[in-house]
Amino acid sequence: EKVMTQSPATLSVSPGERTTLSCRASQSVNNNLAWYQQKPGQAPSLLIYGASTRATGIPARFSGTGSGTEFTLTISSLRSEDSAVYYCQQYDSWPPYSFGQGTKLEIK
Amino acid sequence: QVQLVQSGAEVKKPGSSVKVSCKTSGGTFNTFAISWVRQAPGQGLEWMGGIISIFDKTHYAQRFQDRVAITAVESTSTAYLELSGLRSEDTAIYFCARGRDMASFASPLDSWGQGTLVTVSS
Repeated sequence: EKVMTQSPATLSVSPGERTTLSCRASQSVNNNLAWYQQKPGQAPSLLIYGASTRATGIPARFSGTGSGTEFTLTISSLRSEDSAVYYCQQYDSWPPYSFGQGTKLEIK
Repeated sequence: QVQLVQSGAEVKKPGSSVKVSCKTSGGTFNTFAISWVRQAPGQGLEWMGGIISIFDKTHYAQRFQDRVAITAVESTSTAYLELSGLRSEDTAIYFCARGRDMASFASPLDSWGQGTLVTVSS
């Protein structure tokens, strides 16, 4: 099973700033990596897939990079509505299509 | 636009089973994988398994292999998750989600149900 590790666990950033979330895989997942955003009381929603492709309707201030074992999600010009938990997920090797443990982003 | 609507909350006794439904609309049902993901209170996401009904194929995470069954009824575009041998640790919100790519389990999940809370308590 491929283990996904996210860092940091929590993050507190001011509006308008830029932040970077990390996700590391225990083995290569190629570019089969997705990022999800989950707000309290809601289902997750897809932000990025293929490591760097934005899902439909996702603004350009969300960007993903990486391949193999190291990935990052960058959010620029942070807004209050970006406060959420962000998860990475590998869909390269099954089963399971494992998730990271999440990074909780707080906007100050 | 694809929509996934799940059945309502359940309260179950330890040792019993639960069956959660996920009805899809607005897209082709049988050619896309439907996955089930659960989230224990205050915890992260855990992929449990999935089904592609056109192939009648299922995949399960090994830790659930012996007590989970995922099925689908094409005529109603509905997928089901049945979990048996329930224990308190199974208390969680259970989400269904559809894969973005046709006919592949190896796909990001781009449409999600609203979630179903299953509480296991004596």
